[in-house]
Amino acid sequence: AQSVSQHNHHVILSEAASLELGCNYSYGGTVNLFWYVQYPGQHLQLLLKYFSGDPLVKGIKGFEAEFIKSKFSFNLRKPSVQWSDTAEYFCAVIFGSASKIIFGSGTRLSIRP
Amino acid sequence: SQTIHQWPATLVQPVGSPLSLECTVEGTSNPNLYWYRQAAGRGLQLLFYSVGIGQISSEVPQNLSASRPQDRQFILSSKKLLLSDSGFYLCAWRDRGRSEQYFGPGTRLTVT
Repeated sequence: AQSVSQHNHHVILSEAASLELGCNYSYGGTVNLFWYVQYPGQHLQLLLKYFSGDPLVKGIKGFEAEFIKSKFSFNLRKPSVQWSDTAEYFCAVIFGSASKIIFGSGTRLSIRP
Repeated sequence: SQTIHQWPATLVQPVGSPLSLECTVEGTSNPNLYWYRQAAGRGLQLLFYSVGIGQISSEVPQNLSASRPQDRQFILSSKKLLLSDSGFYLCAWRDRGRSEQYFGPGTRLTVT
């Protein structure tokens, strides 16, 4: 079955630390990949997306993600986190030409000031 | 620009009562529409999606149903709520020509 896995449920970092959140999916075909973020009390919003081309994609607020096809992964990174990055982060995948996006279970990121 | 509305923002309903949550999208036509439930630690569970008026796909068997009476209106319903229906319900839309989804503000439902 097609699925999306986020193995880190809760990550706690200090400001200025580097961040990497894992995302893996199970599917050997074409995928469209997304990271969404939900800040406390706000809507889910799109952070970045990958459809094709350069596997390293850059999003808003200094985030980036790398698509590694051989590892079925799309990890989210940021070199230096800020307190304002405290939020829940969701990886999401469209498998093939499907009409629906499948979300991972989310990772809660807490930043210590 | 496109906007998505959901109401009500919060709702407290007794067990056994009916439910109707509404979602409308402005600024686009013929979008794909989605209902999700978000539970702590469990991410977003896709409940229903629709690719056109009257076309509903159900992802999980449950006590809920969905309808799309108009192009930009998506309704989530229940005839009799259960305690387990409590949660945060999100509506989303997607332009046919694009892949990313955009989410509404959500409805916090508490069944007592």
